This record gives sequence, structure tokens and C-alpha cells, in this order.
Amino acid sequence: EPEVTQTPSHQVTQMGQEVILRCVPISNHLYFYWYRQILGQKVEFLVSFYNNEISEKSEIFDDQFSVERPDGSNFTLKIRSTKLEDSAMYFCASSNRSWNSYTFGSGTRLTVV
Amino acid sequence: GQQVMQIPQYQHVQEGEDFTTYCNSSTTLSNIQWYKQRPGGHPVFLIQLVKSGEVKKQKRLTFQFGEAKKNSSLHITATQTTDVGTYFCAGLNYGGSQGNLIFGKGTKLSVKP
Repeated sequence: EPEVTQTPSHQVTQMGQEVILRCVPISNHLYFYWYRQILGQKVEFLVSFYNNEISEKSEIFDDQFSVERPDGSNFTLKIRSTKLEDSAMYFCASSNRSWNSYTFGSGTRLTVV
Repeated sequence: GQQVMQIPQYQHVQEGEDFTTYCNSSTTLSNIQWYKQRPGGHPVFLIQLVKSGEVKKQKRLTFQFGEAKKNSSLHITATQTTDVGTYFCAGLNYGGSQGNLIFGKGTKLSVKP
């Protein structure tokens, strides 16, 4: 069964530091997403990416966030200057059609101290 | 913006009892998807409903999509301890070529053996 791979599984960072979360979507998928889940809460949409550009982004996805697909396989989320409230589980997901099911990665737990 | 409400937030049942979670959207949906997240895990796709009034079954799980395509339910018959986890509905409302899943808050199911 194809998987979405995320690294690292856990990242601890100092407040104000930059972090890059990495994802390798399923190879034949064209649509990529980042979601986050604060502990025990709902899964919140951050951004969608298609055809090498952002398709949609939520209010959470402000100027400190950026996404990139630097090569044919990786999809990254950068948080420029982390805040305590950025602590959450970040999930990458991919889909082969915009209306189909999403396959989620195992997530990166980000802890900002 | 689009909102997806889900109730109840928590449900504790005795093994063998039935379980139902309900989902309502503030807008008409193109489709609705259900995901299960085991404790410490990531959302895993269960099913997608597309047609008005659609009913789908997966063994002990029955999924319904309302006639107006604004509400949905998941019913589990005779729960087992393996059913433990959080069940999320996620609404998709797409126009053109892009749409994003908006998740409900989830129903956390615990099953007492």
C-alpha cells in the first residue's frame, strides 16, 4: 500500500527558530496538503498545493508559513519564526484527484519551547 | 467559511453496544468523507459518500449521506474494542478543479470490554 512519508517524526525547537517539515507524497498523486492538529483537537486545514503553486490557504497559514516542492518528490512546510502556539501535530496528505480521498502521513509532532 | 459540526464529542460504550456519530455542514457538500484516527495515529480514510441519500456499508459500519447533502452519519453495530479511536467526518466542497477537506471536531469512541 503506497504511503505518505513524513520526517522528522518529532521536532523540538526554540521559539523564534525556523523549522522545515518534510513530506514525500505518493508518487502518482498531484494534490498535496498540510493540516495540523493541536493535541486532542480537530484536524485543521492549512494549505493545498497543485501544479507547483498554492491553490488555497486558510487563515492559519499566514506570512510565517510557506510551502515548497523543491524537486519531484518532496513537499515541505516551512515555519519561519516559530511561536509557542505552533506546537501541534502537522500532517501532510496527498490525493490523486481533488475530489478523492486523502492519504495522510504519520505526522510530525512539533514542540516549540 | 464552510463549517462542519460533529456530535457527540465523546462516546463511551460497553462492548457490543451500538454507536452513532452525526455530522452537519453549514453548506451543501460535493462529497463527505469519513476518517478514523487511532490514539497516537493519523487519519485513515474509511469511505466517501457522493450521492444524495447514499448509504454504504462496511461490515459493521453504516454510512449515510443526507438528501440535502448537508449531513451524514456513521453507525457502528455491536462495537468491539478494535473500534476505539476518533471518527472524523470531513466535508469537501469543490468548484472548478480544487477543493479542500474541512474536518469536523471528531467523535472520540471508547469501548469498555
